[in-house]
Amino acid sequence: DGGITQSPKYLFRKEGQNVTLSCEQNLNHDAMYWYRQDPGQGLRLIYYSQIVNDFQKGDIAEGYSVSREKKESFPLTVTSAQKNPTAFYLCASAPGQGLRGELFFGEGSRLTVL
Amino acid sequence: AQSVSQHNHHVILSEAASLELGCNYSYGGTVNLFWYVQYPGQHLQLLLKYFSGDPLVKGIKGFEAEFIKSKFSFNLRKPSVQWSDTAEYFCAVMRDDKIIFGKGTRLHILP
Repeated sequence: DGGITQSPKYLFRKEGQNVTLSCEQNLNHDAMYWYRQDPGQGLRLIYYSQIVNDFQKGDIAEGYSVSREKKESFPLTVTSAQKNPTAFYLCASAPGQGLRGELFFGEGSRLTVL
Repeated sequence: AQSVSQHNHHVILSEAASLELGCNYSYGGTVNLFWYVQYPGQHLQLLLKYFSGDPLVKGIKGFEAEFIKSKFSFNLRKPSVQWSDTAEYFCAVMRDDKIIFGKGTRLHILP
């Protein structure tokens, strides 16, 4: 089935450790996005990518990094510089011209930093 | 700062009541507008969208929204809610390839 796969679903890490969240899509979508969802804060944009080998910072990019080496993959690294990394992370993708902006979401990854 | 504002954080209604959830945005120029819904334990999914044309758009499950350009608003409505509409609702705006979400409105329908 076509869709977006995020892994792991749950992740626990110690403070000071970097962690990488995986996001893979087989929808052949051009654009991919990472959001962070916190209670009462809605979804806040971390990074997004419209095309392979290119990505832009969102509103809360500090302490995060991404890569887009393949169309179907957009991993997010939460670095030790991120001051409050415990959160629910959502990956999304969107198709190309004419349907842009209609996001398809993964199930999310819940990161807890101990 | 550019933003998307949802006026109500938590709404409680009885079944068959009418619903209106407010959404305002502060971007100028052309925008695309969306409402997404997150049912308990499920993915976020698209409820409806506005790109251009008729400012009154209809979505799934009897929802509709009206784009009022002069008011920078895109309010979500449903004439008669059901218990199954219990969910969190997010307004979103696309501008220059960025898709920005509001903080969400948690809707609780009493049976």
